[in-house]
Amino acid sequence: EAGVAQSPRYKIIEKRQSVAFWCNPISGHATLYWYQQILGQGPKLLIQFQNNGVVDDSQLPKDRFSAERLKGVDSTLKIQPAKLEDSAVYLCASSLIGPGGYEQYFGPGTRLTVT
Amino acid sequence: DAKTTQPTSMDCAEGRAANLPCNHSTISGNEYVYWYRQIHSQGPQYIIHGLKNNETNEMASLIITEDRKSSTLILPHATLRDTAVYYCIVSHTGANSKLTFGKGITLSVRP
Repeated sequence: EAGVAQSPRYKIIEKRQSVAFWCNPISGHATLYWYQQILGQGPKLLIQFQNNGVVDDSQLPKDRFSAERLKGVDSTLKIQPAKLEDSAVYLCASSLIGPGGYEQYFGPGTRLTVT
Repeated sequence: DAKTTQPTSMDCAEGRAANLPCNHSTISGNEYVYWYRQIHSQGPQYIIHGLKNNETNEMASLIITEDRKSSTLILPHATLRDTAVYYCIVSHTGANSKLTFGKGITLSVRP
């Protein structure tokens, strides 16, 4: 079974530039999550989708971050414009809906450096 | 969701059992205890979860105290590949739950 795919794996941009990350969840997983992990901290949930609808985006900085999952499969997370404090690893995870959905499967992450 | 408290770090010898403690004294009746781990430069990996009964799978055992205010993750025969950050998380919704990660405990397995 293929895991959660993310690209790119690494990205370096200057502040005020924009950047986008892509995630392809495990086939059949209706729930998709984006997390931000700053060095030395645990991952923080940014947004949760169920199919193509948003379940929770309470911690997404909506003035600069946006995310979409148009066809209920893959997803993109965008930052525009980036700030120095956005330097982090951005993790995507997916899970099944319902009783099988206890386990979240994480991708390898995208390491973003903002200079 | 209830907050969890874990030691910052611990170590154990390869081949021995690793017992990782977690306090969650404010846990409510419908909150689950989850454990994930994160090996360096990888995404977190699910280990196990439980509500009130002890649980065991191929990776680990989860022991939850009767009052549910604390739990212990047991890796029965630690290997060098078990060196990672282990996160204890309490979440009230079960499946498709929102996970709030703390800083976790860094387990170092020594040869």
